[in-house]
Amino acid sequence: NAGVTQTPKFRILKIGQSMTLQCTQDMNHNYMYWYRQDPGMGLKLIYYSVGAGITDKGEVPNGYNVSRSTTEDFPLRLELAAPSQTSVYFCASSSDRGNQPQHFGDGTRLSIL
Amino acid sequence: GQQLNQSPQSMFIQEGEDVSMNCTSSSIFNTWLWYKQEPGEGPVLLIALYKAGELTSNGRLTAQFGITRKDSFLNISASIPSDVGIYFCAGLPSGTYKYIFGTGTRLKVLA
Repeated sequence: NAGVTQTPKFRILKIGQSMTLQCTQDMNHNYMYWYRQDPGMGLKLIYYSVGAGITDKGEVPNGYNVSRSTTEDFPLRLELAAPSQTSVYFCASSSDRGNQPQHFGDGTRLSIL
Repeated sequence: GQQLNQSPQSMFIQEGEDVSMNCTSSSIFNTWLWYKQEPGEGPVLLIALYKAGELTSNGRLTAQFGITRKDSFLNISASIPSDVGIYFCAGLPSGTYKYIFGTGTRLKVLA
């Protein structure tokens, strides 16, 4: 029972490089989320999706893009990496009812140097 | 944006002691969740609360949805070393499906 799977687990990027953080879930959840977690802080919502083809900005979307072509996958793209994007990124999903708990992946630890 | 105040920020306790932590908000929430995060892993759901006044247990953990709907509490009884981790609360404001997360309580248990 895989749940929410994130790849890669770790990555180091140079300033200005781009990359895609992958997230896939096998629970047939329509709602999916991307968060970043900075040291000593709570989770900040970057983008979310309520179903395939539908995405919307969260609290801190600048510098990121997302797409949702399938129910299972919700990749997060960094186009021009900046040191401020050094963080741990978590993907989460939940079932259709809006108040259902979110299930998290194990995170991607990203350093921009 | 909306924020949750979670306290304490950190706790050092002796094995066997009970632990209490809480989250408060200036807004009314419809749902409260409590998660635990261990190093190198994502948050794992411990308890979900859906009604004001609700009291729910999960083993040695008990959480309550505050009667004002602006706070929630988590208690851990008879702590053990594997309770170490960061505990996060998350609240769902009325009319949205975007949870707000607290900044976490770091728990360390001394054997």
